[in-house]
Amino acid sequence: QVQMVQSGSELKKPGASVKISCKASGYTFSTYAMNWVRQAPGQGLEWMGWINTKSGNPTYAQGFTGRFVFSLDTSGSTAYLQISSLKAEDTAIYYCARYLVRGGYGALDIWGQGTMVTVSS
Amino acid sequence: DIQMTQSPSSLSASVGDRVSITCRASENIGSYLNWFQQKPGKAPNLLIYGASSLQSGVPSRFSGSGSGTDFTLTISSLQPEDFATYYCQQAYNNPRTFGQGTKVEIK
Repeated sequence: QVQMVQSGSELKKPGASVKISCKASGYTFSTYAMNWVRQAPGQGLEWMGWINTKSGNPTYAQGFTGRFVFSLDTSGSTAYLQISSLKAEDTAIYYCARYLVRGGYGALDIWGQGTMVTVSS
Repeated sequence: DIQMTQSPSSLSASVGDRVSITCRASENIGSYLNWFQQKPGKAPNLLIYGASSLQSGVPSRFSGSGSGTDFTLTISSLQPEDFATYYCQQAYNNPRTFGQGTKVEIK
């Protein structure tokens, strides 16, 4: 079946880097864009941006430029989110989600299970 | 950026109740509006796309309506498994902003 499986929880110190993986299966990876969404503890959903899985071109929302990098391994059907110079406020669950377009309307139809990143000294 | 405002922020309801959640966009987004359900400790789940189209596998008690700036998610008869937080998201342009969420609790 169609699914995205993300890498496990991470505990990092401030200033470190983390790279989260999102492995897709059950569909042709390059057919659908991959989005990233952040959810801080007890808070709502925040759209971080997306990556074109054909071209590898990323688009970042304001607030997610500079320290955040989206990348791909298309041969392995895997998307990555790397965060550098981690801060305490980066503590959150990070989700990848497939973007499906039907009838001209797009939506995040399949989500990974989420990866908890905790930044603490 | 387009601001998405949901109301109410939370509500208490009983099993069997009809429940409606409103989402207002700060500018016209046509029908580019999606609804998600999120249960504690779980990833969000797509319920409605294109403002009113039911995602495959989602029970028919869920429905969406509206266009332009005002949208509504309705649950016709609330079931125990529907107690969760609901989010709208505009898919009109970037950034694809979410509403702040509406928590549906048991009365």
